[in-house]
Amino acid sequence: DQQVKQNSPSLSVQEGRISILNCDYTNSMFDYFLWYKKYPAEGPTFLISISSIKDKNEDGRFTVFLNKSAKHLSLHIVPSQPGDSAVYFCAASPSRVGNEKLTFGTGTRLTIIP
Amino acid sequence: NAGVTQTPKFQVLKTGQSMTLQCAQDMNHNSMYWYRQDPGMGLRLIYYSASEGTTDKGEVPNGYNVSRLNKREFSLRLESAAPSQTSVYFCASRAQGFSNQPQHFGDGTRLSIL
Repeated sequence: DQQVKQNSPSLSVQEGRISILNCDYTNSMFDYFLWYKKYPAEGPTFLISISSIKDKNEDGRFTVFLNKSAKHLSLHIVPSQPGDSAVYFCAASPSRVGNEKLTFGTGTRLTIIP
Repeated sequence: NAGVTQTPKFQVLKTGQSMTLQCAQDMNHNSMYWYRQDPGMGLRLIYYSASEGTTDKGEVPNGYNVSRLNKREFSLRLESAAPSQTSVYFCASRAQGFSNQPQHFGDGTRLSIL
């Protein structure tokens, strides 16, 4: 039972345009969400997070939106740059105070076309 | 700044052999984690340690043991390797005592069981 789902295995976007990566979850106990970025042969690196008390969090070119009623979050990257080409993982935690156990989605491979 | 260091980076084993994957972090983090990543499966938690001296099972603990040697080091042992344990293994650590701190990952150990 996949509690965190990323239904798009891959996404291609032109450089300079907006990239939108989506994530759905089924567990109502999740209240803290994170996005990680992963390059080949490297470990995931933390990108941005959002707590369930918010519906939007922004950090430079990256914005995460949370729709609790739909159990859906999305990551917007604008403008997209070639260095953004990577696999993006959505992750969720049931605890606002700590994220002792993260549940990860299966990832979306983003390719930025120059 | 090394962060989370995993050794070895690559390993090939024969079925039935034993192996210990090493992980060390230099960020004075309390919590440490072991994940495995398989194609199409995202990252799945094997074991975690919330603090020195404690360990708990994650989603896929069967066939593995862990040791939290000290605050810095958290090892993962395969007592009798099986082909199903062929995977990329990631270690992560996280600061405790601060809300919503992300996990920091090492670059992984690529393990093949023949």
